[in-house]
Parts: sequence; C-alpha cells; structure tokens
Amino acid sequence: EVQLVESGGGLVQPGESLKLSCAASGFSFSGPGVHWVRQASGKGLEWVGRIGSKANSYATTYAASVKGRFTIFRDDSRNTAYLQMNSLKTEDTAVYYCVGGVGTTTSDQWGQGTLVTVSS
Amino acid sequence: SYELTQPPSVSVSPGQTARITCSGNALPKKYAYWYQQKSGQAPVLVIYEDIKRPSGIPERFSGSSSGTMATLTISGARVEDEADYYCYSRESSGNPLGGGTKLTVL
Repeated sequence: EVQLVESGGGLVQPGESLKLSCAASGFSFSGPGVHWVRQASGKGLEWVGRIGSKANSYATTYAASVKGRFTIFRDDSRNTAYLQMNSLKTEDTAVYYCVGGVGTTTSDQWGQGTLVTVSS
Repeated sequence: SYELTQPPSVSVSPGQTARITCSGNALPKKYAYWYQQKSGQAPVLVIYEDIKRPSGIPERFSGSSSGTMATLTISGARVEDEADYYCYSRESSGNPLGGGTKLTVL
C-alpha cells in the first residue's frame, strides 16, 4: 500500500528545535512537490510549507507564520522529506502532516500525522 | 501559488444534496482535488482531477469544474458525511488548500 509515514513528533519546550521526517513507504516521491500541513486541536488545516521536485530545483516556500524558523528539505535517495523546526513556540503545537505524491498515484497522499507539543 | 476560496459552512438535511464550492483563478487550468476530514482523522481523498472518484468512495460523491469554480456535490447526503471538506490544488507552489468547509447534515 502506498503511504507516507511521519515520525519525530514529541514534547519540547519553547525555543527548542525538532526535526520531523516523512518517509514514502516502498515507493519514490512523485508529483510536483511535498507539503507540510499542520492542525492545532479543534482547528482547521494550516499549510506550513512546501518543497518542489528535482525538476524545479527543490524550491521551497513557507507560510509567513513559520518563515525563518522552519526549513523543509528532502533526500530522494531515501524517499524521505524533512521538516526542521527551530525556535518553536507554543502556537506551533499541532498535528503535522506531510502530503505528497508517491509512486504512480495521480493524487497527493497524506500521512497519519505526528503530534508536536510545545510547552514549558 | 494561487488562492482557493471555499464557504466556511454548508448545512443540509439528510437526503438533500450538498454542494460545496471552491473558487480560484487557476482552476480553469489546474485540477481540483477534494479531501474529507472527520474529527480526529487524517484527510481522505474523495474526488481527484476535478471529477474522478477513488475506489471505495460512495457514488453519491461527485465533482465538477467550470471556469474558476470547482464543486463537490454530495447527492443524498447522510449524517456520516458530516465533516470538513477541503479543496486542494496539487500543483500549487504555495498553499494548496482552500480554507475548508464544514458540512453539517442534520
């Protein structure tokens, strides 16, 4: 089964860092890019950022709320994308999803999400 | 990147037809995708490439697109269809998501 699997979530204190991983299980990433999307408890989906494919030079874009603190990168040899989160704030507390094309799918897959809690 | 706009909420009675719209200037050239998210769960694809329905999605879910607007239609909505629905543009270099529409069926 084609799927994305996130890992790396956990409890951190404000100001600390955390790196999330998103592994494409058994397949390569495909499609135009990989997005990270988060959802705070009881809230809607909030886009965090995106990394493009090799064809567009792995270009990245970020939401204003995380720009300068979060970095997205990918290692296609490992079929894995990453979200490096620095200077975390309490308002970054959320379930983080990666979203992207995998294998021959013609739509983007969502992972199951990983919970990040920023609290002192 | 391009913006996708959805109504915040839609409400129907069971058995009625629910229509959720998504407007965006890129939609005449880009496919729309629709995801359903129920409370506490990851989003699930219900429509892809404007009109296609994944296997396992009930036939009451359908999609259409005309000009700058894509529409998700749920014919004969059921209580279990109550969820948040998001339109999505796969090729966006920025935010691919619409703001989401909360569908209430009661």
